[in-house]
Amino acid sequence: GQNIDQPTEMTATEGAIVQINCTYQTSGFNGLFWYQQHAGEAPTFLSYNVLDGLEEKGRFSSFLSRSKGYSYLLLKELQMKDSASYLCAVRSLTDSWGKLQFGAGTQVVVTP
Amino acid sequence: GAGVSQTPSNKVTEKGKYVELRCDPISGHTALYWYRQSLGQGPEFLIYFQGTGAADDSGLPNDRFFAVRPEGSVSTLKIQRTERGDSAVYLCASSSGQGGAYEQYFGPGTRLTVT
Repeated sequence: GQNIDQPTEMTATEGAIVQINCTYQTSGFNGLFWYQQHAGEAPTFLSYNVLDGLEEKGRFSSFLSRSKGYSYLLLKELQMKDSASYLCAVRSLTDSWGKLQFGAGTQVVVTP
Repeated sequence: GAGVSQTPSNKVTEKGKYVELRCDPISGHTALYWYRQSLGQGPEFLIYFQGTGAADDSGLPNDRFFAVRPEGSVSTLKIQRTERGDSAVYLCASSSGQGGAYEQYFGPGTRLTVT
């Protein structure tokens, strides 16, 4: 199985940058996803990494280091609507294609 | 087009009763997933279907839980002899393919409360 660790909560100011770290231990890495989940709503897809490096998508970027079992999600130019939980999810080679293991999520609070 | 829909949005049932939760995936999506999410936790994988067959049911906690997808579209998650510990939000997701970068599109969930 996997251990997936993320900080429980982070607070940042509107307009600032926040970096959410995710570390994982898996028996054969096969992809990492980041999802955003607003309170009471469904998770929505943000990014996917399977190779080392940085994937940039607008204000959001995601980084992966497979050798370190580490990823981060970078949120730039924070807006109030970015207040949400951010979930890191990992797929393992020893699991089926459809099985994602999620971390507990990082609650980001954006203040004015 | 329409997203993933789930019914009911809320279900309150008594301990020991049987419940069915329904998921309508995005039209044309071949893969369908069930998760459950407790407060303050990430989604926990239960089962996934590729077409009509359960490709991986390793996350079902015990034999009180069962899911079907008879025509490869709508799926029903069935829970027998419900227990208070089954209370959670049950999320359904679908994707147009499996593996790789295929993202899972989630529905709004069914909040199940067992009293």
